[in-house]
Amino acid sequence: QVQLVESGGGLVKPGGSLRLSCAASGFTFSDYYMSWIRQAPGKGLEWVSYISSSSSYTNYADSVKGRFTISRDNAKNSLYLQMNSLRAEDTAVYYCARSVTTMVRGVIGYWGQGTLVTVSS
Amino acid sequence: DIVMTQSPDSLAVSLGERATINCKSSQSVLYSSNNKNYLAWYQQKPGQPPKLLIYWASTRESGVPDRFSGSGSGTDFTLTISSLQAEDVAVYYCQQYYSTPPFTFGPGTKVDIK
Repeated sequence: QVQLVESGGGLVKPGGSLRLSCAASGFTFSDYYMSWIRQAPGKGLEWVSYISSSSSYTNYADSVKGRFTISRDNAKNSLYLQMNSLRAEDTAVYYCARSVTTMVRGVIGYWGQGTLVTVSS
Repeated sequence: DIVMTQSPDSLAVSLGERATINCKSSQSVLYSSNNKNYLAWYQQKPGQPPKLLIYWASTRESGVPDRFSGSGSGTDFTLTISSLQAEDVAVYYCQQYYSTPPFTFGPGTKVDIK
């Protein structure tokens, strides 16, 4: 069965950096577009970043553009999010997410359990 | 960017009664070349990640009970729970995937039991 397991969250000071990882299993990772989606405490969902199956295409929310970098290693079935220059407003649960099918790329069919990032001094 | 709005913010419905959630996009999400609406619905229960219910505005994901249905086209959409069950208490989000990513979600609608 499809499994997405995030790691790397934690407490970091404003201006600091953090790298999130997502280990994928139960499907052919290299066939699917992947995303990071976040949810601030008690708030709604925000799509953070998106990467194509071959890494040839990436996109970012305006709120993180220039600070966050999404990447993937298809040989390791892993997705990453490098987060630099972190701000208090980046505090959220970060979900690793897979498109529902290889063709319907903008719909999330599978979510990880999430990893909490807290930015605070 | 396409802005998604939802109404109401919250609603309380008696068990077995109908719940209706509305979603509106700031521009059409209907792609004329394939006549598909690029609109999805998710359910999120407390402490859990969201779960996909519906995409293409009205296509139920595998395993989703048929009491959940989606309708609408263009800019106005509806999620209907035909007979509310206790396990349907959750926050429901609509999401457009028409524009270039990152895609946008609505603010959510909380459904409770009356």
